[in-house]
Amino acid sequence: GENVEQHPSTLSVQEGDSAVIKCTYSDSASNYFPWYKQELGKGPQLIIDIRSNVGEKKDQRIAVTLNKTAKHFSLHITETQPEDSAVYFCAASTPSNTGKLIFGQGTTLQVKP
Amino acid sequence: DAGVTQSPTHLIKTRGQHVTLRCSPISGHKSVSWYQQVLGQGPQFIFQYYEKEERGRGNFPDRFSARQFPNYSSELNVNALLLGDSALYLCASSSAGGTFNYGYTFGSGTRLTVV
Repeated sequence: GENVEQHPSTLSVQEGDSAVIKCTYSDSASNYFPWYKQELGKGPQLIIDIRSNVGEKKDQRIAVTLNKTAKHFSLHITETQPEDSAVYFCAASTPSNTGKLIFGQGTTLQVKP
Repeated sequence: DAGVTQSPTHLIKTRGQHVTLRCSPISGHKSVSWYQQVLGQGPQFIFQYYEKEERGRGNFPDRFSARQFPNYSSELNVNALLLGDSALYLCASSSAGGTFNYGYTFGSGTRLTVV
């Protein structure tokens, strides 16, 4: 069935370093890949997304890359700051009218000052 | 502008009881989805409603039901609560619908504890 695998489950970096989170999806029909940041006590917040007709997208310190052949996509955060500390989720969606996002298991990112 | 609002923020119920969770989407958004997030896991899709019609249902038992009202707000109902229903219930809204599954904005959720 549909599945999204996310790695690593935890990631600790020094402030200013880069962080990379990787996801692999199973359904080759998937065409939309959002990334969400969830802080304690809050709902997931969309930080960046990419569609299958694009290989890379960048927004300031955040970038996402997509490899459709390998069915994986990655989140890259550069010049990390303590406020980047949170749980990050990748997700995938297929072109249907169900509105269904399949989420990865999450990555807890800790940025140490 | 107000984001997605959910109520209540927290509640505690006893096994076997019924619960109703409420969601108001962002103004102008016609699509509402419900997700269950168990502690330490990613959200799991429960339902999507668009223009008051159910468009999708996840792998949840019939104890879970939902509806969307003419003003696009939505309710999630869970009957015969089990301990395993304890979770954060998230509502997400989007201006897109039909075959376009993008741009979902989540609310802060309702934390349900079943004892």
